[in-house]
Amino acid sequence: EAGVTQFPSHSVIEKGQTVTLRCDPISGHDNLYWYRRVMGKEIKFLLHFVKESKQDESGMPNNRFLAERTGGTYSTLKVQPAELEDSGVYFCASSQVNAFTDTQYFGPGTRLTVL
Amino acid sequence: AQKVTQAQTEISVVEKEDVTLDCVYETRDTTYYLFWYKQPPSGELVFLIRRNSFDEQNEISGRYSWNFQKSTSSFNFTITASQVVDSAVYFCALSAYNQGGKLIFGQGTELSVKP
Repeated sequence: EAGVTQFPSHSVIEKGQTVTLRCDPISGHDNLYWYRRVMGKEIKFLLHFVKESKQDESGMPNNRFLAERTGGTYSTLKVQPAELEDSGVYFCASSQVNAFTDTQYFGPGTRLTVL
Repeated sequence: AQKVTQAQTEISVVEKEDVTLDCVYETRDTTYYLFWYKQPPSGELVFLIRRNSFDEQNEISGRYSWNFQKSTSSFNFTITASQVVDSAVYFCALSAYNQGGKLIFGQGTELSVKP
């Protein structure tokens, strides 16, 4: 069974540009999460989808970040316009049905560098 | 509020030494899960273990063991006879029942095992 995949693995953009990150969860997983790790700090929660619905977006830093989950399958996270402080590694995770009891499995992350 | 503290930022050991990674957590919830994830140099987060708040039994899996103590709010991870392949960043995380499944991570401990 394929794991969580993320694309691209790396992205280098200039301040003010737009970037879109994609996450494909494990097939059949209802829950999809985005997290971010800024250099040397802890991994922080951004938001949680249950199927196509946003369950919790309390961790989204500001309105420059927009997440979608089309048809409850893959998800995209768009940053527009990107700022220097958006640099970091963006992780996606998915879990089956029960958000609390089912383990989250992570993708390899997308390393975003904003110059 | 929930919080996870991994006080050891970096640890360096020589192969075959035993090493313990500390994790201290804070939560007011009585129902929660604790996790350990490993991030090898390749970047992905690999799930290692999950323990719920009602199960304080220690767990052993090969060279890995985990010591969960509610009295001290700790969930420590020990690697016995460490190997070079154990070199990675290790994250401890907490998921509380009322938080919808989102993980609260510690800052991570970077373990370097030298030959």
